[in-house]
Formats: sequence, structure tokens, C-alpha cells
Amino acid sequence: DGGITQSPKYLFRKEGQNVTLSCEQNLNHDAMYWYRQDPGQGLRLIYYSQIVNDFQKGDIAEGYSVSREKKESFPLTVTSAQKNPTAFYLCASSIYWGANQPQHFGDGTRLSIL
Amino acid sequence: DAKTTQPPSMDCAEGRAANLPCNHSTISGNEYVYWYRQIHSQGPQYIIHGLKNNETNEMASLIITEDRKSSTLILPHATLRDTAVYYCIVHRDDKIIFGKGTRLHILP
Repeated sequence: DGGITQSPKYLFRKEGQNVTLSCEQNLNHDAMYWYRQDPGQGLRLIYYSQIVNDFQKGDIAEGYSVSREKKESFPLTVTSAQKNPTAFYLCASSIYWGANQPQHFGDGTRLSIL
Repeated sequence: DAKTTQPPSMDCAEGRAANLPCNHSTISGNEYVYWYRQIHSQGPQYIIHGLKNNETNEMASLIITEDRKSSTLILPHATLRDTAVYYCIVHRDDKIIFGKGTRLHILP
């Protein structure tokens, strides 16, 4: 089945450590996205990538980094510079970048900093 | 940036139509209206989207007012599995904004 796989589902890290969240899609989609969700809140865009080897900052990119070396993969690194990293992280993809393209979401990774 | 306003929660009896309102009075001509829903601890699920015209698919109908300042998502026959948070968002090419959504409770 085609879809988006995020791993792991739960992740625990010590304060001050960088941590990388995985996102893989087999939908052959060009565009990919990372969102952060805090309890009781909507989603906020961290980074997006319109095509392989390209990515752009979203609304809350500070303390995060991404890469897009392969079409199917868009890993997110939460660095030690991110002041409040504990959150639910969601990855999404769409056929291509644009307002007329629905996004397909993974089931998220819940990150907790100890 | 266009923002959306939704009631924080709504109830609907099982088997009845659920009508979820959304206000987007500052929407621009090139911005689409989307609806997603999120069941607890899962990723959001796409439901439907539109620009000007009303839209219908196997899940729901989307009614957009002529001035495009508001819209309504209609779930024609709500079931318990429709219990979720429903997000109305506006999306232009370079910006997508999620609000806090409406928590829909389906009552047996």
C-alpha cells in the first residue's frame, strides 16, 4: 500500500541532544512537508520541499534542519537550539507543490525531551 | 494572511447530517478552502477542498458562499467513527494555515 511512514512513533531524548525524525513516502510525490503540533493546537509548518534537493523554511523553522537528497525521504533534525522541542511532529506529502494539491499525512512521531 | 474561525466544539446525533461552519472572511481569490480531520494521535486525513464552487465526494460536501467568506462542511450521515477534530484551512501556493479546529462529538 502507498503511504507515508514516520518512525519511530515515540522518541525520547536527553536535553541538548540532536535528534532526527524519519519520513518516507512511496507515493511518488514531489512535495513534502514537516509540521509541529502542540496539545490542543493546530499544525504549524516547519519546513517544506517542493522537489528533491530543494527545501524552504516554514513559519517556525528556528532550531530545525532538513534535507531532501531523495524524492521519497525528508528527514527532520531537531537541534539543541530548539528551545521547546517536546511536541507531536507530522510529515506530509502532495503530488506537487501548490494550493490545489491535498496533502497526505503520516501518523506522526511524538518527541519527548527528558 | 487569511485565517479561519471555527466553533471549538459541536455535537451531532448519529445518523443525522453534521454541518460544520467555517469563517474565512479575509480569503483571497487564489486561496483554496480545505477540510481535514484528525482522530486522536493520528495524522490528519484529507476530506475535501474547493475554490469557488460547491464540491461533493464520497466523504462529504463542501458549500462555499458566493462571496467566499464562509463555508460549511456537511457529513451527510454521521457515524461514531466521524468523531474527530475537523480543521478548515485556507491554502495558497506559498502558505497554509491550520487553526485549532472544531471538535465534533457524535452522540449515539
